[in-house]
Amino acid sequence: GAGVSQSPRYKVAKRGQDVALRCDPISGHVSLFWYQQALGQGPEFLTYFQNEAQLDKSGLPSDRFFAERPEGSVSTLKIQRTQQEDSAVYLCASSSTRGGLSPGAFFGQGTRLTVV
Amino acid sequence: QKEVEQNSGPLSVPEGAIASLNCTYSDRGSQSFFWYRQYSGKSPELIMFIYSNGDKEDGRFTAQLNKASQYVSLLIRDSQPSDSATYLCAAGGGIYGNKLVFGAGTILRVKS
Repeated sequence: GAGVSQSPRYKVAKRGQDVALRCDPISGHVSLFWYQQALGQGPEFLTYFQNEAQLDKSGLPSDRFFAERPEGSVSTLKIQRTQQEDSAVYLCASSSTRGGLSPGAFFGQGTRLTVV
Repeated sequence: QKEVEQNSGPLSVPEGAIASLNCTYSDRGSQSFFWYRQYSGKSPELIMFIYSNGDKEDGRFTAQLNKASQYVSLLIRDSQPSDSATYLCAAGGGIYGNKLVFGAGTILRVKS
């Protein structure tokens, strides 16, 4: 596609519910990142994929968070047993090269998750 | 100390003026630096990246990097009201590896 596509754009979940957020990166992009952005803050790194390999998951806040990219294209971020502190915008970004360092990563529209 | 620091602002400049946005980073091994623009309720949009010491110009935007001082800046010439947004600085490489580490952003307001 022309850009990074994320779905759903908005998700309201009841506390304790599981959610799955989808990211469709720019076609051919090797690298894919998930970030979490709280209101008034910069994006916080969650995890990084190079093709289908999850090379860095150091930013995942707990074992309730799980990400996959089984065929090296579409990625899913799953949050189990959602808590109110999980409420945030979840951003996906992709890059044409290994890592996001050159020429930078391009973000999708984000998924705004609200846990009630 | 935060890994990437920015003044939260808001920075207010009149239309047509030069806006100067600044960023410092803590990891001396960082290799790549990025400026993203984020409009309210939207996702970050990449506007500039820089790897080498000195200046890099792209249209009305100039990024400046000083690795010795661990300092990155973004100059916006002839500022327009449409430039009003939050500007995010990000660093990559070094201890950060492949990920980008972002600052909290500086709010820029251009007054007409």
